[in-house]
Amino acid sequence: QKEVEQDPGPLSVPEGAIVSLNCTYSNSAFQYFMWYRQYSRKGPELLMYTYSSGNKEDGRFTAQVDKSSKYISLFIRDSQPSDSATYLCASNAGGTSYGKLTFGQGTILTVHP
Amino acid sequence: GAGVSQSPSNKVTEKGKDVELRCDPISGHTALYWYRQSLGQGLEFLIYFQGNSAPDKSGLPSDRFSAERTGGSVSTLTIQRTQQEDSAVYLCASSLIRTGEYGYTFGSGTRLTVV
Repeated sequence: QKEVEQDPGPLSVPEGAIVSLNCTYSNSAFQYFMWYRQYSRKGPELLMYTYSSGNKEDGRFTAQVDKSSKYISLFIRDSQPSDSATYLCASNAGGTSYGKLTFGQGTILTVHP
Repeated sequence: GAGVSQSPSNKVTEKGKDVELRCDPISGHTALYWYRQSLGQGLEFLIYFQGNSAPDKSGLPSDRFSAERTGGSVSTLTIQRTQQEDSAVYLCASSLIRTGEYGYTFGSGTRLTVV
């Protein structure tokens, strides 16, 4: 079992829809949680970062972490065709392992006009 | 520089040959990371540098893989006696300090194909 599990999709939604992307993790030591967006043939770019449980909002993006259920979510409001990409969740335990991120498989999202 | 630069962007090599992949991190970033991305495997951690030392090299898949960083800047990932299973995109990233607090900035990767 992978430490971070993510449904690879693909997920296809119409423009303007609310998108929900989710991951589960198994390592109780994880404290830092991130979402990355990756366009084709590009490196991942950091979208959202959260520490421990809670919500964080940035424009159309909201990240949620529920440590009690080991569940990570990313919501995209008013989705746009430019949001079409692969979305990767990632976690890190900090401390002595702060140099290593554990990624989910990535979810392929297509937003069609 | 403005971003993380990786070279070459594409590399095709014959099985059994050695390859060197280069990463130029963002100027001033003390931490540097190598990851591998392949179909069905997602992003796999290979090695992490803080300055010129590598506190965590636990992800290197075999002793055919090695990496070094000089001057706290450029890093080279070397794969000896390449195998077909080494075919993947090799991504380098850098960060100011602790990744857990700031996330990484990734380069666009080197797409390695072993034939």
